[in-house]
Amino acid sequence: EPEVTQTPSHQVTQMGQEVILRCVPISNHLYFYWYRQILGQKVEFLVSFYNNEISEKSEIFDDQFSVERPDGSNFTLKIRSTKLEDSAMYFCASSATSGRANEQFFGPGTRLTVL
Amino acid sequence: SQKIEQNSEALNIQEGKTATLTCNYTNYSPAYLQWYRQDPGRGPVFLLLIRENEKEKRKERLKVTFDTTLKQSLFHITASQPADSATYLCALGRLGNNDMRFGAGTRLTVKP
Repeated sequence: EPEVTQTPSHQVTQMGQEVILRCVPISNHLYFYWYRQILGQKVEFLVSFYNNEISEKSEIFDDQFSVERPDGSNFTLKIRSTKLEDSAMYFCASSATSGRANEQFFGPGTRLTVL
Repeated sequence: SQKIEQNSEALNIQEGKTATLTCNYTNYSPAYLQWYRQDPGRGPVFLLLIRENEKEKRKERLKVTFDTTLKQSLFHITASQPADSATYLCALGRLGNNDMRFGAGTRLTVKP
């Protein structure tokens, strides 16, 4: 069964460093998402991406964050200058459609630890 | 402000019983509501989607109801098994919008 994959599974970085989290969505999906989940808290929407541009973003997704689909398979989240409070599990998701038929498939996540 | 509340942080039931989880929302008009399962250290896994014009959806041992007047969804697992033990998340979405809002989840433990 096709699945969303994410690398790395765990990333440790120093505060102020840039990190890039990588995702390979399901191949025939058109909509891509990033979420984060701080330990013990709820899953929070960051951004959705369709047709090579951001379609929605939350208030969390500030200028420190960016997303890119550099080729036909990868979808990346970049954090320019990490802060301690960026430590969280980051989930990538994809869906074939949007809106009312929006079944999203989540990857296993990348645990980001900022020291 | 928008609020999505799941009835309790934790729910313990005996194997074979029906688990009922609640998702309430305020200041929000969802076009659809989804339920996901999340195991520790893993990503959410989609279970069921119900639209605002639907009252009930079923899938095997799972049943979801959606009452837009009460602003509530109920999620039932019948004939529960220890393998059903996980955290269950509700998520709400609006028409034409991919910004899904999740509840904090209810951790279900089914004891043998």
